[in-house]
Amino acid sequence: DTEVTQTPKHLVMGMTNKKSLKCEQHMGHRAMYWYKQKAKKPPELMFVYSYEKLSINESVPSRFSPECPNSSLLNLHLHALQPEDSALYLCASSQDGTGGVLATEAFFGQGTRLTVV
Amino acid sequence: SQQGEEDPQALSIQEGENATMNCSYKTSINNLQWYRQNSGRGLVHLILIRSNEREKHSGRLRVTLDTSKKSSSLLITASRAADTASYFCATDAETGRRALTFGSGTRLQVQP
Repeated sequence: DTEVTQTPKHLVMGMTNKKSLKCEQHMGHRAMYWYKQKAKKPPELMFVYSYEKLSINESVPSRFSPECPNSSLLNLHLHALQPEDSALYLCASSQDGTGGVLATEAFFGQGTRLTVV
Repeated sequence: SQQGEEDPQALSIQEGENATMNCSYKTSINNLQWYRQNSGRGLVHLILIRSNEREKHSGRLRVTLDTSKKSSSLLITASRAADTASYFCATDAETGRRALTFGSGTRLQVQP
């Protein structure tokens, strides 16, 4: 199984709503990532979890709250978002979670298309 | 933050032609990877080239890496309409944060 599964595929939420994005992988990868991608732009890193611990937060606003309940799951909790947060949110995982070389490729999910109204 | 730039930003060719995309980056790297993204979907890994490698092939793909110039190129030979997608280079920096940083991307359109 070389898949990263993201749910939901599409999400429309109001600015006062609370929602969560979910990501799951069963490849035994110990590094998991959240990226945000706006239209016609490259993915931008938001968070990195390594061995279930948050290792990188790219100065993301607190209305985005990541969580890694176990080595297979990654969540992104959303609260009080703004319309400019509308984007494609991509989850990824990779094999090497320790310090050093990122030796192999990252596997990406199909993303959640988020619209904030 | 964006590690590098890609050029061209957009490329339109006929089926059967070759497509070349270039990527430049700023910091020393451990490896450089190329990814493909169909419209609005996830990224698919194409090829990884390590900093001590100069050229790598995979099927119709050929990647070169010049660490002295901090640049890489991706060549797709005998292109097909199904190759239409956005292509991104991504670098794993030698120091600092351990995550892929993506270039600006090239949108490739292959006309049947």
